[in-house]
Amino acid sequence: GAGVSQSPSNKVTEKGKDVELRCDPISGHTALYWYRQSLGQGLEFLIYFQGNSAPDKSGLPSDRFSAERTGGSVSTLTIQRTQQEDSAVYLCASSLVPGPNEQFFGPGTRLTVL
Amino acid sequence: KQEVTQIPAALSVPEGENLVLNCSFTDSAIYNLQWFRQDPGKGLTSLLLIQSSQREQTSGRLNASLDKSSGRSTLYIAASQPGDSATYLCAVFTGTASKLTFGTGTRLQVTL
Repeated sequence: GAGVSQSPSNKVTEKGKDVELRCDPISGHTALYWYRQSLGQGLEFLIYFQGNSAPDKSGLPSDRFSAERTGGSVSTLTIQRTQQEDSAVYLCASSLVPGPNEQFFGPGTRLTVL
Repeated sequence: KQEVTQIPAALSVPEGENLVLNCSFTDSAIYNLQWFRQDPGKGLTSLLLIQSSQREQTSGRLNASLDKSSGRSTLYIAASQPGDSATYLCAVFTGTASKLTFGTGTRLQVTL
């Protein structure tokens, strides 16, 4: 079956512009996670959608970052007024149910802010 | 706050060698530990998931062990091949935070 897909695979933008990154989880997976991987920082958690419960936004680095998940499936991560330090690979993962279950990752979106 | 460390940061071995990658974590209150592999420019591929009640998991040439009380896990790769070259990441799912905390990874190079 299809895995987690993300689009675009690469995004180059200018400082100050807004960007939207998309994640399509595995069909039927109710939990969805966003992570960021930057050089020198490793992989860090951003936000977690857990079925119908309120999302865990504790990892979002600033109020320029937001995410939504419509209809319990596709998710969009939005970064407003991008800064150069936002340059990173943004990874999405899903798991069958919320909680400590195996996570399956997408290929990521490489964001470069000039 | 959970912290995950991986040693070594980089490793180069000749083809055919057996090798061990190490992962340690500071908070032993984990639900599970997951090992991933990441190829350059790619996402993460799940290799093995060990529940906190388990001591080890095996998949083909890979064997992962978990000593929860001492906060350690090892990934053993038998008879390494050039195709094993990648970055290996361990991650723990801690009870107090519903998310994975990742280590910084071990970059493995298997040479011919």
